[in-house]
Amino acid sequence: KAGVTQTPRYLIKTRGQQVTLSCSPISGHRSVSWYQQTPGQGLQFLFEYFSETQRNKGNFPGRFSGRQFSNSRSEMNVSTLELGDSALYLCASSLDSGGLQFFGPGTRLTVL
Amino acid sequence: AQSVAQPEDQVNVAEGNPLTVKCTYSVSGNPYLFWYVQYPNRGLQFLLKYITGDNLVKGSYGFEAEFNKSQTSFHLKKPSALVSDSALYFCAVRDTLSGNTPLVFGKGTRLSVIA
Repeated sequence: KAGVTQTPRYLIKTRGQQVTLSCSPISGHRSVSWYQQTPGQGLQFLFEYFSETQRNKGNFPGRFSGRQFSNSRSEMNVSTLELGDSALYLCASSLDSGGLQFFGPGTRLTVL
Repeated sequence: AQSVAQPEDQVNVAEGNPLTVKCTYSVSGNPYLFWYVQYPNRGLQFLLKYITGDNLVKGSYGFEAEFNKSQTSFHLKKPSALVSDSALYFCAVRDTLSGNTPLVFGKGTRLSVIA
């Protein structure tokens, strides 16, 4: 079974731009969670989607948004990028909301 | 609110020696506890979990962890460290008291095993 895939793996943007990251969960998994990883803060929870509905949301500004499609694939969007948004963005999928999470390799976003 | 603390940013151990990576947690209800490992330029890999039952949990690659409710701890252990165990380790907790709460991670502990 293929694991969680994330595209792109690396991304360089400038301040003020917007970016969309994509996550394809393991086949059959209906829940997708997103995390931001930075050296100082560790993993911070962004949001979770289950069956196209946002189930939980972390403490991030409204510039961070996401959605999930009927095939469980998920996208995360960050608008008006700031330097502090530079991070590794990790996606995790699970069979159900609250289930064991399996992580993708992440997308490394650099904001210049 | 649930929280996780990993008190050590870095743990150094000699190859062949036992290793311990510490984790303490705070929840309102009963915890689901997890350990994940991250190798460079990779996502997190699941090592082991505690949901209920036996307090000693065995996981992948010879790792184990002991759930201690009175000390609210879930330390990761391995009897004999390998150089290949060098990585970033994350402890995580989910509070089962109120519905589907998100998984909360500690800030990670970098393990360095020296040959």
